Amino acid sequence: GQNIDQPTEMTATEGAIVQINCTYQTSGFNGLFWYQQHAGEAPTFLSYNVLDGLEEKGRFSSFLSRSKGYSYLLLKELQMKDSASYLCAVRPLAYGNKLVFGAGTILRVKS
Amino acid sequence: DTGVSQNPRHKITKRGQNVTFRCDPISEHNRLYWYRQTLGQGPEFLTYFQNEAQLEKSRLLSDRFSAERPKGSFSTLEIQRTEQGDSAMYLCASSLGSRDSTDTQYFGPGTRLTVL
Repeated sequence: GQNIDQPTEMTATEGAIVQINCTYQTSGFNGLFWYQQHAGEAPTFLSYNVLDGLEEKGRFSSFLSRSKGYSYLLLKELQMKDSASYLCAVRPLAYGNKLVFGAGTILRVKS
Repeated sequence: DTGVSQNPRHKITKRGQNVTFRCDPISEHNRLYWYRQTLGQGPEFLTYFQNEAQLEKSRLLSDRFSAERPKGSFSTLEIQRTEQGDSAMYLCASSLGSRDSTDTQYFGPGTRLTVL
């Protein structure tokens, strides 16, 4: 089976750093994606990891440990507009197949 | 705007009626995906096309659901004899289908279906 776990909600302060964790158990692994989704809108792509380590892209970084089935998304210098749901998704099968999503973590940024 | 587009954005229908949604992918993208998302959950995979060929279907896709991509460009998703449990956001995504292992999926704005 496929199982992806993320915390349901998190709250952080504007300007701070927040880490959103994701653990997964899937039948195979061919990459992990993070998406951001504002209420009522489409998910938008943030980052992709397929090898162990850290990928940095501006204020956002994503880390992967394949042996531990673990990833995190790190958001720095939080802004109010970062309030959204953050979705962790695994591509369990060969190239081009479906994504399996977690339920998402709702991040609330307060001033 | 050259992103993924979906029509209609909202659909309200009565139980038992048929509905059809349309998705126009990013123009050079070979792969097209349909997902369904309910409140508080992540998107769930329904089906996937490589050009006009439907290559994978989820067990979530009952006999009442059918999807097509006749010319390998736009796609339609039809739900027959709608049930209240079909109420959800239906998301379409497309990807380039390149040899690049990333093959990022880009999502459209979705069609929100409400079955009364």
